[in-house]
Amino acid sequence: AQSVTQLDSHVSVSEGTPVLLRCNYSSSYSPSLFWYVQHPNKGLQLLLKYTSAATLVKGINGFEAEFKKSETSFHLTKPSAHMSDAAEYFCVVSDPWQAGTALIFGKGTTLSVSS
Amino acid sequence: SAVISQKPSRDICQRGTSLTIQCQVDSQVTMMFWYRQQPGQSLTLIATANQGSEATYESGFVIDKFPISRPNLTFSTLTVSNMSPEDSSIYLCSVLRDRNTEAFFGQGTRLTVV
Repeated sequence: AQSVTQLDSHVSVSEGTPVLLRCNYSSSYSPSLFWYVQHPNKGLQLLLKYTSAATLVKGINGFEAEFKKSETSFHLTKPSAHMSDAAEYFCVVSDPWQAGTALIFGKGTTLSVSS
Repeated sequence: SAVISQKPSRDICQRGTSLTIQCQVDSQVTMMFWYRQQPGQSLTLIATANQGSEATYESGFVIDKFPISRPNLTFSTLTVSNMSPEDSSIYLCSVLRDRNTEAFFGQGTRLTVV
């Protein structure tokens, strides 16, 4: 069975400082991994995805994540936080080799950005 | 990409009644899913909507409570039956074109049961 664990339920940073949102995954096979963002009262937006190509994945809005198989991690980072980054972030796993597989969501990390 | 139209966007319903949520995609997709997001929580998969056959439900969800239809490759409905206040959630439709691509989500249906 697949699962993801987001290690922090809430992360607070100051504007202009780095962001680190941590995610560990569990999967029987080489998984596909995603980060989605959900702003208040908005829909889900894909930030980036890993699908067995380059291990360092660049996404939108300056975010990136590195797939580390030895650590079963897929942490999300951004060099400099912006106020508009405040939102809920979900680490997501799927197994592309299983027929009909859906996405399995982590519990989410709330990112707060202060000025 | 895929454009998903989900209706209604929100509703307030009386307990004991049922609500049917529609999900329309602008092009054919391989897989369609229904998720629930309870207040302040993450997304939980309810079921996979299978075209032309019964949906595949996750543990804790049953067809009598959440009947699902998928008559073709672009449309699906989820019904929340005999509602109680515990069913107050956001319900989201999601689609995949194929196995190794990103999922797209509808804007969600915010349901309040009173």
